[in-house]
Amino acid sequence: GAGVSQSPRYKVAKRGQDVALRCDPISGHVSLFWYQQALGQGPEFLTYFQNEAQLDKSGLPSDRFFAERPEGSVSTLKIQRTQQEDSAVYLCASSSQRLEQYFGPGTRLTVT
Amino acid sequence: KNEVEQSPQNLTAQEGEFITINCSYSVGISALHWLQQHPGGGIVSLFMLSSGKKKHGRLIATINIQEKHSSLHITASHPRDSAVYICAVPTGNQFYFGTGTSLTVIP
Repeated sequence: GAGVSQSPRYKVAKRGQDVALRCDPISGHVSLFWYQQALGQGPEFLTYFQNEAQLDKSGLPSDRFFAERPEGSVSTLKIQRTQQEDSAVYLCASSSQRLEQYFGPGTRLTVT
Repeated sequence: KNEVEQSPQNLTAQEGEFITINCSYSVGISALHWLQQHPGGGIVSLFMLSSGKKKHGRLIATINIQEKHSSLHITASHPRDSAVYICAVPTGNQFYFGTGTSLTVIP
C-alpha cells in the first residue's frame, strides 16, 4: 500500500477483554512507532521498533501493554485486561529516517 | 512537565482571516514538525523544518532555534482548514507532541 494502514479503525471492548491492534507500515520502513492519544491531547509515545527489535518501550503505561514486530514489518499492539483509561486513539507511524514519520489513520479504542 | 507547548488550544476564525498558531519547546532539537489531524482521521505531516521558514500554498511555518519557538500561519483561511494542528519535536527515539490547536474556520 501507499501509506501506513491500521486495523481495526474502531474497536469497542468490554472492560477486562484483551485487544490486538495491527499496524502495516510503509514497505521498507525500518522504524515503527506506537503512540497513544487521549481525547483532547497530543499523541504520547508508547514504543519504538527498529526492524524486529523493540528498542524503546519506556512509554508503555503498564505491563498489560505488549507490542511485537516479529518479522520487522507488521506490528501488533496488544492490551490485556482492558480498562476504561485505555480508551484512546492508538496511532502507528513508520519511517525510513528518524526525523520523518508517516502516520496511520489510528485505531479508536473504546472500553466500556 | 510539557516539553512542547502550543497556543492557543482552541481557535475560531472567520473565513479569510489570517491565523497564527504558536509552539514553544524546551528540548534541544534538530527539526520540528507541524502536523494536521482531521476529526476521525490520521495525522498528516505539513512541514518539517530546522531553520528559517517554509511555505506550502497558504501555509507558512517559521522557526527560531535560539528562542525555541515556531509558528504556523494560515493565510486566507478556509473552512476546509478546520482541523487540529499539532507541533512535534523528535528527540532520541521519541517524538514529543504538543496538545494541539483545534481550529474552526466559519464560512
